[in-house]
Amino acid sequence: AQKITQTQPGMFVQEKEAVTLDCTYDTSDPSYGLFWYKQPSSGEMIFLIYQGSYDQQNATEGRYSLNFQKARKSANLVISASQLGDSAMYFCAMRESYNTDKLIFGTGTRLQVFP
Amino acid sequence: DAGVIQSPRHEVTEMGQEVTLRCKPISGHDYLFWYRQTMMRGLELLIYFNNNVPIDDSGMPEDRFSAKMPNASFSTLKIQPSEPRDSAVYFCASSLWVSSYNEQFFGPGTRLTVL
Repeated sequence: AQKITQTQPGMFVQEKEAVTLDCTYDTSDPSYGLFWYKQPSSGEMIFLIYQGSYDQQNATEGRYSLNFQKARKSANLVISASQLGDSAMYFCAMRESYNTDKLIFGTGTRLQVFP
Repeated sequence: DAGVIQSPRHEVTEMGQEVTLRCKPISGHDYLFWYRQTMMRGLELLIYFNNNVPIDDSGMPEDRFSAKMPNASFSTLKIQPSEPRDSAVYFCASSLWVSSYNEQFFGPGTRLTVL
């Protein structure tokens, strides 16, 4: 079974609009962490945001926020006020236990921002 | 500050040849990770080290792959002999464990093509 699922292979959004990228996860450990990374066409992986399983509030970093719904095992990334430079692949990743530092990545969502 | 440094950035080799990929982590980081990214399999962890010691090599595909970390500032991933199916982008990442939040910083990657 997939441990990290990103069901949207591609998304389009107009500049200045908000967009939500979906991510669901599966782990039986109560202590885990969720990450989002951005990969532009240049290829590098850029860390965006982190959510720990015990964090009471949804994580936010500038225009990025994480809609964490623990009971539903979802960790959706919300990008507000999209910019053309946000066009990239976005990967959700999970550290499925605090006993490991291994990250498991989803298949990614390609976001395209149009003017 | 310099980020994670990988060399070479591009490597083209012929089947059967030995390939060595190199990585210099961010100074002071105590974790180092090797990933492989392909269209078919996505981003997958091959091996990771903590304080120069291999912790989890369950992702190493087969005996043709080996990784070493002789000191805190250098790691290699070797493929011998290489095969066309090894063609991929190989990323090195490093992190400093502070808490459950263990952000990994990725290098620019090495694009390997095996003919």
